[in-house]
Amino acid sequence: SYVLTQPPSVSVAPGQTARITCAGNDIGGKSVHWYQQKPGQAPVLVIYNDSDRPSGIPERFSGSNYGNTATLTIRRVEAGDEADYYCQVWYISSDHFFVFGAGTQVTVL
Amino acid sequence: EVQLVQSGEEVKKPGESLKISCKGSGYNFNDYWIAWVRQMPGKGLEWMGIIYPGDSDTRYSPSFQGQVTISADKSTTTADLQWTSLKASDTAMYYCARRFCFGTPCSSFWFDPWGQGTLVTVSS
Repeated sequence: SYVLTQPPSVSVAPGQTARITCAGNDIGGKSVHWYQQKPGQAPVLVIYNDSDRPSGIPERFSGSNYGNTATLTIRRVEAGDEADYYCQVWYISSDHFFVFGAGTQVTVL
Repeated sequence: EVQLVQSGEEVKKPGESLKISCKGSGYNFNDYWIAWVRQMPGKGLEWMGIIYPGDSDTRYSPSFQGQVTISADKSTTTADLQWTSLKASDTAMYYCARRFCFGTPCSSFWFDPWGQGTLVTVSS
């Protein structure tokens, strides 16, 4: 199976930059997608195909993917960005799998 | 507007059966795979399985194969997740989500949008 590793938590002051990593074996060869989940709400797609933003997602959210690490970057962090963030890839072995990272809780100080 | 609306909260006893639903609207329901995702209390997201409503082709995560059944009804644009005998460990929030793909042939897949979730509590 394929494992995605995320840090459990990231803390950031308002106005600063948060970087959330997602590590996986040769993840740079896969497409990575990111979801934001605020408390009590369903996940929302914030980045797809490593670095594309769906309509309605602020430009402050960006993504990159190279080597063994994908990164979600949130610039000029706001209190409303406080949430859990999950990375996700599609992995083929004997069947098709959708794999999620364990999630990173972003706390705005 | 593309929407997935899920059925309401359920409280069940161990051993009981259950079917929860996810109704799609605002798009051609037959043309997009629908996935089910489990989130246990305080935990992360787990992909359970996926169905193509157009022909009911269904795939399961090995972790959930034989534990649940996924189905879809084109006439009501609804996908369902069902259990024949619930366990306390099935207590969780369950989300449905539409699968999007990129590339020809598809080589990248993500989920958008998601339903609002159905909370299932199994307790004696």
